[in-house]
Amino acid sequence: DAGITQSPRHKVTETGTPVTLRCHQTENHRYMYWYRQDPGHGLRLIHYSYGVKDTDKGEVSDGYSVSRSKTEDFLLTLESATSSQTSVYFCAISESGTWLAEQFFGPGTRLTVL
Amino acid sequence: GIQVEQSPPDLILQEGANSTLRCNFSDSVNNLQWFHQNPWGQLINLFYIPSGTKQNGRLSATTVATERYSLLYISSSQTTDSGVYFCAVEPQPGGGNKLTFGTGTQLKVEL
Repeated sequence: DAGITQSPRHKVTETGTPVTLRCHQTENHRYMYWYRQDPGHGLRLIHYSYGVKDTDKGEVSDGYSVSRSKTEDFLLTLESATSSQTSVYFCAISESGTWLAEQFFGPGTRLTVL
Repeated sequence: GIQVEQSPPDLILQEGANSTLRCNFSDSVNNLQWFHQNPWGQLINLFYIPSGTKQNGRLSATTVATERYSLLYISSSQTTDSGVYFCAVEPQPGGGNKLTFGTGTQLKVEL
């Protein structure tokens, strides 16, 4: 168990509202990632972090921002949610401390934007 | 970018049967991982296997990096093996700084 939790687990919101998803880990892992999972697209990387205040964009970062002010927390923000951001969002960590090495996922957050 | 193809896309087994899932990739990779997504949506890391063979209980995996494929073996399948199996690869430097996931094999194990 990699000790990863996500909150909330489910959220329904309206177009144009800001939304923040939280990923929390208990084991001091350096690398953290946010993915979204959509039918027909599989899992795609949104943003990642390689340390406190060190973040970078993934392949589908438009419309999303992230922050990591503490090792254990990685926040994903949708500044103004759109229906195209309806998805299941997963947070992940690399357990061995190496970029993209053996990844373990949180339970996911199902987000619906109406 | 790198292409990852999994086969078969769907598979139905009787409990106790064995199966082989395949992952083909189009370019050289630094690492390859297999995941199981259970019917409740949880993603579980099965293997981190850039090359060679590993075994974990009834599951084993083999990656032949030079021939650009990996195989996941499930023996004596159980209903709890149902779900979607994904492989994911990290291309070698210059091929994209992320994991690329295949589209998965949907497995259903019936009694």
